[in-house]
Amino acid sequence: EVQLVESGGGLVQPGRSLRLSCAASGFTFDDYAMHWVRQAPGKGLEWVSGINWNSVNMGYADSVKGRFIISRDNAKNSLFLQMNSLTIEDTALYYCARGFVVVTEPPEYWGQGTLVTVSS
Amino acid sequence: QSALTQPASVSGSPGQSITISCTGASSDVGSYNLVSWYQQHPGKAPKLLIHEVTKRPSGVSNRFSGSKSGNTASLTISGLQAEDEGHYYCCSYAGSFTLVFGGGTKLTVL
Repeated sequence: EVQLVESGGGLVQPGRSLRLSCAASGFTFDDYAMHWVRQAPGKGLEWVSGINWNSVNMGYADSVKGRFIISRDNAKNSLFLQMNSLTIEDTALYYCARGFVVVTEPPEYWGQGTLVTVSS
Repeated sequence: QSALTQPASVSGSPGQSITISCTGASSDVGSYNLVSWYQQHPGKAPKLLIHEVTKRPSGVSNRFSGSKSGNTASLTISGLQAEDEGHYYCCSYAGSFTLVFGGGTKLTVL
């Protein structure tokens, strides 16, 4: 069974940084692309970033480009999102999601999310 | 990266069929057969219903089907059931290893 467990969310002040983690199990982690998708309270889904299996190809939404960095550690079956220069608009539930083989394809399995609240 | 355009809400009665549209641009929906659809119930993670325009993952009911014409993709739900009520999102590959979601459509089963 595919399991994705996010952690690292919390309350942070504007301008500060936060690092999200996602622990994956139940599948061969380095066979798949991975994504971060967020959902602001009461709002729709917003794709944040994706990374292919070997970290060669990655993409970012314009709203986070230059501030967020996606990475993965295949040896530890883990996905990360380093979030810098946070703003109030980054407040959301952040989902870790497993894609298909290539990062051009969409998320298939989702975790339950970790909540990030940016507030002074 | 502009969000794909979906109707804010649709409704239908049990047993009926409904269609949700998803309009993008020539740079995303129109260029790639990489449109997917998700269902989300309140407080739950999204569930993938359709990928690559028409493909259903294992376990997804065949009452859900997808199509695409030009810059617009569509999700059709046939034999509407009460459990289908929720939010639906489309998603498309948009080039340069980026994805874009639609704004979401709330489906009400009357």
